[in-house]
Order: sequence, then structure tokens, then C-alpha cells
Amino acid sequence: EVQLVQSGAEVKKPGEPLKISCRASGYEFSNLWIGWVRQMPGKGLEWMGMVYPDDSDTRYSPSFEGQVTISADKSITTAYLQWRGLKASDTAIYYCARRDQFVGAIDHWGRGTLVIVSS
Amino acid sequence: DIQMTQSPSSLSASLGDRVTITCRADRPISTYLHWYQQKSGKAPTLLIYAASNLQTGVPSRFSGSGSGTDFSLTIDSLQPEDFATYYCLQSHTPPGTFGQGTQVDIK
Repeated sequence: EVQLVQSGAEVKKPGEPLKISCRASGYEFSNLWIGWVRQMPGKGLEWMGMVYPDDSDTRYSPSFEGQVTISADKSITTAYLQWRGLKASDTAIYYCARRDQFVGAIDHWGRGTLVIVSS
Repeated sequence: DIQMTQSPSSLSASLGDRVTITCRADRPISTYLHWYQQKSGKAPTLLIYAASNLQTGVPSRFSGSGSGTDFSLTIDSLQPEDFATYYCLQSHTPPGTFGQGTQVDIK
């Protein structure tokens, strides 16, 4: 059974760094794209970007390029999303998402990590 | 970046109604279009992949159609558990782009 287990909720101050994680199991982690979807309070879904764990190739949506870093450690089947300095506007739920190999659909989701950024 | 326009943004319907939601891409995406349902406080779930293929376990009252730039999701005979928000996703250009969402609520 495919599982994506995300790290717990975070409360941070503006300017602080943060790295959240998503541990995958139940499939060959290295060979499928995995990424992150943002959902701001009361808003829709936004694909932020994704990483191919085998070679760490990354693809970002234009809105998120340079704003976050997506990475993966295939030795521990874990994907990461990190910020160097958070802003209040980063307050959102972040979903880990696995992209299927055939048509690029997101076929498995984590439960989400709530990030609150407030002074 | 491919833009997806989803409509309507919300609709009210009654149990048993037939509901149709549409998504339009600003350039052709073949059938790289997928539909998701999201209930309040939960992660989305995949309903339809590649425009018209029903995901395993999804009731047959859900169906999808379209190719190129115009796509639709239809729910035949709306059930109580179908009241939720629905999103389309294009995966033609990685990583992908979601539509703005359609909230389906009870009339």
C-alpha cells in the first residue's frame, strides 16, 4: 500500500527557515516524481513543484521558482520542502503528492502539513 | 505555463440532479487532464484520469470527457457524499496546473 506520511504542523515567525518532510513507502520511490501542492486558507490547489528522486531533477511552477526548494533523499525515501525565510503569506496547508508515471496525474496524496507563519 | 479556466466556481444542486463542470486549457493538452474531489479538511482524491478514465473505486455516476482544450466532469444523480469541491489538473506541462475549483453544495 502506497503511503505518504508528512511531518507535523508548524508555527513559525516571519523570516525563520523551515523544512517539512514527506516519507514515502509502498512503491519504488526513486522512479516516480513526487512534489508539493499548496492550499492557502479557503483557497484552491497550487502545484508548487516536484522532484525525481533518482537524480534529484526538479521542476517548479513559475510562481514558486526561487521561493522554495524541493528535494529528496532516496536513501530514506523522503521528500522535502524548504524555505530560507518564511513570510506570513506562506501560511497554508502543504500536501505531498505523488505523480503517476503514465499520464502525470497525482495518484496519491499525503494528509497535509499545516504551516502557520505569524509574529 | 498553461492556464486552466474552470467553471462554474460554485453551483447549488439537489439530490439526484445531473451536474456538469467544465475546464478549458489555454492551449491544447491532449488528454492530460484529471479531476479531483476535495472534502472539507481532507486531501483531494483522484476521480478521473486522462480525461475519461474512472479511477479504481470511484462510483460510475462520475464521468469525464474531452480532449485538446475543452473538458468536462459530469456527476449523474448527485448523492449526499458528492457535495464537495472539484478541481481539474493539467499535467501536459510539468509540474501541472489546477483549475480554480468548483464548490458543489446543496440547493
